[in-house]
Amino acid sequence: AQSVTQLGSHVSVSEGALVLLRCNYSSSVPPYLFWYVQYPNQGLQLLLKYTTGATLVKGINGFEAEFKKSETSFHLTKPSAHMSDAAEYFCAVSRGSSNTGKLIFGQGTTLQVKP
Amino acid sequence: EPEVTQTPSHQVTQMGQEVILRCVPISNHLYFYWYRQILGQKVEFLVSFYNNEISEKSEIFDDQFSVERPDGSNFTLKIRSTKLEDSAMYFCASSGQGDTEAFFGQGTRLTVV
Repeated sequence: AQSVTQLGSHVSVSEGALVLLRCNYSSSVPPYLFWYVQYPNQGLQLLLKYTTGATLVKGINGFEAEFKKSETSFHLTKPSAHMSDAAEYFCAVSRGSSNTGKLIFGQGTTLQVKP
Repeated sequence: EPEVTQTPSHQVTQMGQEVILRCVPISNHLYFYWYRQILGQKVEFLVSFYNNEISEKSEIFDDQFSVERPDGSNFTLKIRSTKLEDSAMYFCASSGQGDTEAFFGQGTRLTVV
């Protein structure tokens, strides 16, 4: 069975500050891990993913995440927040192979960026 | 850039009515999925579909739900007799052979009144 826990349903940062969104997962098989962003009234956009190989993965819009197997974590970071980063962020896990289909999502974290 | 297209963007239906949500996946994709997101809650897997049959479904996907790929391009989700609690955003997704990610549509917001 797989599950995802996102710590903090709401995170507020000042523009220019570090963004850190936390994600912990549980998986009985090697996982694939994903971060999606959802802007208001829009769909899900993939920010980045970890499948195999390098544990530090870079995504779009300056975001990156590090897969830490020992900590079962996949936290999302961005060095400097922009106002445009304000959105809902979802961490998700799937079984570690292609076309597994079933993504298990966390509850989501709303990122607020203050001017 | 190829994208998954969902129609309509918003549908209002009366309780007990049948509703069909439509999706056009990316053209060369073979794997298709439906997810739903009740307002303020997380995104939940409903069903996956491959080779003209359901490959996996969740507990949510009961007998009220069905999926179909009627014409080789569309992928539909039918809710036979809608309930108030079916009100949600429904996302379609697709992936190609060997893809490690699914590509999501913009969603259809279903409101049952």
